[in-house]
Amino acid sequence: DTAVSQTPKYLVTQMGNDKSIKCEQNLGHDTMYWYKQDSKKFLKIMFSYNNKELIINETVPNRFSPKSPDKAHLNLHINSLELGDSAVYFCASSPRWGVDRETQYFGPGTRLLVL
Amino acid sequence: DQQVKQNSPSLSVQEGRISILNCDYTNSMFDYFLWYKKYPAEGPTFLISISSIKDKNEDGRFTVFLNKSAKHLSLHIVPSQPGDSAVYFCAATGHYGGATNKLIFGTGTLLAVQP
Repeated sequence: DTAVSQTPKYLVTQMGNDKSIKCEQNLGHDTMYWYKQDSKKFLKIMFSYNNKELIINETVPNRFSPKSPDKAHLNLHINSLELGDSAVYFCASSPRWGVDRETQYFGPGTRLLVL
Repeated sequence: DQQVKQNSPSLSVQEGRISILNCDYTNSMFDYFLWYKKYPAEGPTFLISISSIKDKNEDGRFTVFLNKSAKHLSLHIVPSQPGDSAVYFCAATGHYGGATNKLIFGTGTLLAVQP
């Protein structure tokens, strides 16, 4: 029974297209995150939501728009895809925001390739 | 500006011997450190953590050491097993901007344990 799941696992698309990645967690956590792992294997936070509210918004192009319909879901929509968007995108969750030192649980990742 | 650095991209160790993975950080506001383990095509999974009020934390075969004055931490795995072969990420967080759940990751070290 997967705790944090992402769909799709692989995504190959053309430059200029719009695509979405979905994330769901069944852990009952309040906080969810999106991370990007680039070609240099650097894992960097993009967004964090707590109870459907945006908490962290790193310096990410506004072509990236997260959406949280409920606290168990955090989707990532990307407009006008560029070659540099090719990366692995990881979703994660943790129990509560503002409580120190909580472990984050990661999904399996979505491998996006923009041609 | 890479605040968490893992200078060894890879490490090869014989089964049964000790594996030592190193991590350096630059931000003196970091006060909690974590190690994550990642297998191919999976998301990172939490392994062990340490608070800055400690200099050592042990969990079975895994021990993390923290040297605050040197801004250095290390993960020791004894004895190493082939199933430990994975990428190990060091991560740090701290009380900056109130975002205590924001993790800053290193670039990872690929550990290969030879049978």
